[in-house]
Amino acid sequence: AQKITQTQPGMFVQEKEAVTLDCTYDTSDPSYGLFWYKQPSSGEMIFLIYQGSYDQQNATEGRYSLNFQKARKSANLVISASQLGDSAMYFCAMRESAGGYNKLIFGAGTRLAVHP
Amino acid sequence: GAVVSQHPSWVICKSGTSVKIECRSLDFQATTMFWYRQFPKQSLMLMATSNEGSKATYEQGVEKDKFLINHASLTLSTLTVTSAHPEDSSFYICSARGPGADTQYFGPGTRLTVL
Repeated sequence: AQKITQTQPGMFVQEKEAVTLDCTYDTSDPSYGLFWYKQPSSGEMIFLIYQGSYDQQNATEGRYSLNFQKARKSANLVISASQLGDSAMYFCAMRESAGGYNKLIFGAGTRLAVHP
Repeated sequence: GAVVSQHPSWVICKSGTSVKIECRSLDFQATTMFWYRQFPKQSLMLMATSNEGSKATYEQGVEKDKFLINHASLTLSTLTVTSAHPEDSSFYICSARGPGADTQYFGPGTRLTVL
């Protein structure tokens, strides 16, 4: 069973508009972490934002915010005021404890295209 | 933020040869490093987890003898692809995590092409 699901293979947004990238997860571990990474065409993975399962407030980092709905097991990324440079692949990931090691499980990714 | 480097950024080799990829944490001590593989238009697949000074933990289906991982110091881990074949051609990315930290920081990746 998939542990991280990103249902949007591709998304389009107009420059300066906001966009929401969906992510749902599945875990029975009460302690977990959720991450979003951006991967431009150059290939590097850029850390954007982190939400811990016990965090009371939704995480925000500049134009990025994470809409964390624990009961629904969703952790959507909201990008406000989109810029052309935001065009990239976006991956949602969950930190899972397994055998004492914390490892990341990645979703399939969403390709975001920002249009002028 | 934390900086992780990878070397080389790309490599082309002949079938049957071995290739070593280095991953370094430049401004923090990485107690744990991770190696991922990514095929075109696909997500990252974790290959193995390594802790400094101990043997790597490989994911199911990853051949230990083919993908040798060494984590000799708190700032360096290496992945050696032994007897490479064309099907090993891929994008290999490492990440590093500091002690007690939640976030993994990624290197820029290494594109391996085996002819």
